[in-house]
Amino acid sequence: DSGVTQTPKHLITATGQRVTLRCSPRSGDLSVYWYQQSLDQGLQFLIQYYNGEERAKGNILERFSAQQFPDLHSELNLSSLELGDSALYFCASSAATLNTEAFFGQGTRLTVV
Amino acid sequence: LAKTTQPISMDSYEGQEVNITCSHNNIATNDYITWYQQFPSQGPRFIIQGYKTKVTNEVASLFIPADRKSSTLSLPRVSLSDTAVYYCLVGGGYNKLIFGAGTRLAVHP
Repeated sequence: DSGVTQTPKHLITATGQRVTLRCSPRSGDLSVYWYQQSLDQGLQFLIQYYNGEERAKGNILERFSAQQFPDLHSELNLSSLELGDSALYFCASSAATLNTEAFFGQGTRLTVV
Repeated sequence: LAKTTQPISMDSYEGQEVNITCSHNNIATNDYITWYQQFPSQGPRFIIQGYKTKVTNEVASLFIPADRKSSTLSLPRVSLSDTAVYYCLVGGGYNKLIFGAGTRLAVHP
């Protein structure tokens, strides 16, 4: 158990809909990262938050948005869903100090039908 | 962020030592080298991290030459359960943790 909790584990929704994925980082970790992994594809970095502030942005679509709350949990919002958004979405967290290891959650499997 | 190059795939047999090399010619002075392991449908798992020379933990060793332009992850006596994708990451500070394509290791009986 990495200590990072992602909910829900599975999500099935229709095209055009909006969903929210939730991530609770390890206790004390200030950084949260979001990744998308499509079937047999690599991990695509989406966005990083540090202590509530956006730190870095990757290949995140305009239909997607995220935030990190004062209690450090994070949410990834996906809207106007398309079939191609079907993927595993991972959240990871790391401590505030430099060059620390990141801990990944078990992911949320999103299926858009 | 330094770009990394590693083999797309490797094959090995149970009990053998596996060495996966990663090239990172543009590594910066404050960059660390980190390796992760990922099983299908699971999140990546930290294996080992180093800055220079050799680092060893209970699961792997990491060899980094003096020029730090490459690194080698060494897995001693692999088993079937070591079949996974291995990622080499290079970065420093509050980095973006950018993952490349990784190396798919297949361990055969």
